[in-house]
Amino acid sequence: DAKTTQPTSMDCAEGRAANLPCNHSTISGNEYVYWYRQIHSQGPQYIIHGLKNNETNEMASLIITEDRKSSTLILPHATLRDTAVYYCIVRSSNDYKLSFGAGTTVTVRA
Amino acid sequence: EAGVAQSPRYKIIEKRQSVAFWCNPISGHATLYWYQQILGQGPKLLIQFQNNGVVDDSQLPKDRFSAERLKGVDSTLKIQPAKLEDSAVYLCASSSARGEKLFFGSGTQLSVL
Repeated sequence: DAKTTQPTSMDCAEGRAANLPCNHSTISGNEYVYWYRQIHSQGPQYIIHGLKNNETNEMASLIITEDRKSSTLILPHATLRDTAVYYCIVRSSNDYKLSFGAGTTVTVRA
Repeated sequence: EAGVAQSPRYKIIEKRQSVAFWCNPISGHATLYWYQQILGQGPKLLIQFQNNGVVDDSQLPKDRFSAERLKGVDSTLKIQPAKLEDSAVYLCASSSARGEKLFFGSGTQLSVL
């Protein structure tokens, strides 16, 4: 299964866009990139996923590079409620397993 | 729609005691997962059910952990006997099918003293 590398932590200003990078250089052609986030004392929450095309939903945008070796999650207008741990996960194509790493702790500051 | 329900929310036990956690998934969700999350780490998959059958339990410490999903709906996870290193948050998640997005409950925080 492909592994991911994310920064340990990052800060962003309220109202500004937050760009969260993720490297997954060993991803294979049929493996999806998933993003979840976990707010303190809650279970993880699904944000978005993609295969090769850029994706957008009401929560965020996902930009995947053409070679698929990295991606960026974009929170367009960060709010204080977006403070959370963000997990970038490459989902196994064999068993659909989601293996969580340590994620990126994002702190949105007023 | 109602989310994934878990109980209890918190549990404190002494080592060598037993404990059980309960999960009620979203109605109609065929796939159910139990994850263990140790403080400061991401969740680790313990077991995955498809309806009432086990799909993957490769990371479940079977000498002390057991889980069942009777009738393909509710599930229980049991630890017997508990060790200090079992202190963690136990998360239940469900999805409509394998490969679909997961919905998580708020978890049960277990402290083993």
